[in-house]
Amino acid sequence: GESVGLHLPTLSVQEGDNSIINCAYSNSASDYFIWYKQESGKGPQFIIDIRSNMDKRQGQRVTVLLNKTVKHLSLQIAATQPGDSAVYFCAPYSMIKAAGNKLTFGGGTRVLVKP
Amino acid sequence: NAGVTQTPKFQVLKTGQSMTLQCAQDMNHNSMYWYRQDPGMGLRLIYYSASEGTTDKGEVPNGYNVSRLNKREFSLRLESAAPSQTSVYFCASSEEGAGGTEAFFGQGTRLTVV
Repeated sequence: GESVGLHLPTLSVQEGDNSIINCAYSNSASDYFIWYKQESGKGPQFIIDIRSNMDKRQGQRVTVLLNKTVKHLSLQIAATQPGDSAVYFCAPYSMIKAAGNKLTFGGGTRVLVKP
Repeated sequence: NAGVTQTPKFQVLKTGQSMTLQCAQDMNHNSMYWYRQDPGMGLRLIYYSASEGTTDKGEVPNGYNVSRLNKREFSLRLESAAPSQTSVYFCASSEEGAGGTEAFFGQGTRLTVV
């Protein structure tokens, strides 16, 4: 199965600083990557995605970087705010039908924003 | 627009009891998923259904069964609940398009088995 770094580290960040959340994956068939944010007591919500033909994609205060060579992606949050406190998951996905189209998640990273 | 609706939101079961968790989506998505999330842990895929009439095992299927009743509904059944199944259960649905896929999640069912 997909190995996506099953640890759940915690990242403490000062409000206003930038946050960098990392994710490693193992399946070479993964060609589409999604980041989700899960606030306490809620289900995960989509933040941003990136296709494997891209190295970088930017959204509102978030940037995702993809390094296919080492099977690593990161989520950068600029000027971290208290509302960014949550658990962040990456979800590698294969658009190839033969791969089964299973959506699996890594262990996630908990971000705690200090005022 | 309700999105993904799960029932019940909370449930306490005794060891050995059975129950069915219900999930319905109103987005006409083909794919539906059941995950469990233990405290401080990530999401683990129990079962998924790529389309109406098909179901496949995920990472942790033991002790569970699923039914894709129709395109809207995907239920998860615990035949004989065990304390190890105490967890938060999330249902999700998604539709793959040219631009990619985005899964929408329900609010979760908090299950305690005593």
